Amino acid sequence: SQTIHQWPATLVQPVGSPLSLECTVEGTSNPNLYWYRQAAGRGLQLLFYSVGIGQISSEVPQNLSASRPQDRQFILSSKKLLLSDSGFYLCAWSDQYGRAGSDTQYFGPGTRLTVL
Amino acid sequence: QQQVKQSPQSLIVQKGGISIINCAYENTAFDYFPWYQQFPGKGPALLIAIRPDVSEKKEGRFTISFNKSAKQFSLHIMDSQPGDSATYFCAAFASGSARQLTFGSGTQLTVLP
Repeated sequence: SQTIHQWPATLVQPVGSPLSLECTVEGTSNPNLYWYRQAAGRGLQLLFYSVGIGQISSEVPQNLSASRPQDRQFILSSKKLLLSDSGFYLCAWSDQYGRAGSDTQYFGPGTRLTVL
Repeated sequence: QQQVKQSPQSLIVQKGGISIINCAYENTAFDYFPWYQQFPGKGPALLIAIRPDVSEKKEGRFTISFNKSAKQFSLHIMDSQPGDSATYFCAAFASGSARQLTFGSGTQLTVLP
């Protein structure tokens, strides 16, 4: 079965510091990968998605960047955090080949980021 | 139009009652409509999903009703329980788009004991 991991679970960082959040998926290959941000009490905002290694699409101009160095690894980064970067960051995957329903996205447990 | 409109924003139901959450869309290319359930501090989890070739899908106490002509779909939670208290998101997906689900804004459901 497929599982998705995110770490760290929580993070408190000062303004201006760098950021690196990691997401890995197990039990599947060539997944589509996604990064979302969720502000407190709000909906899900798609930040980045990737259909393959090194292929990143950005949905919203921002202070963040994403990379996919390996097939099942997705990293969210920032060089200098802003207060507005605080939120709940969610990674998700979907199956490109329809074996698990390519239209279904499965979410990780999330990372709670607080920028002070 | 990629938007999916969800209502109500919040809902309070007594234990044993029926919870109803509604969503509407404009993009006729959407052909898959999942609902996600999210507990505080957790990632959303797929609850139930429907394709537009059926008008209703039921899984346990959860039912999706789909009206293709009206471009609306809804989630019904029968015999609502306090453990159902969570935020519910509807979403829509267009085949051939490797990109993304379009999410509704979410409904915070509280089931009173």
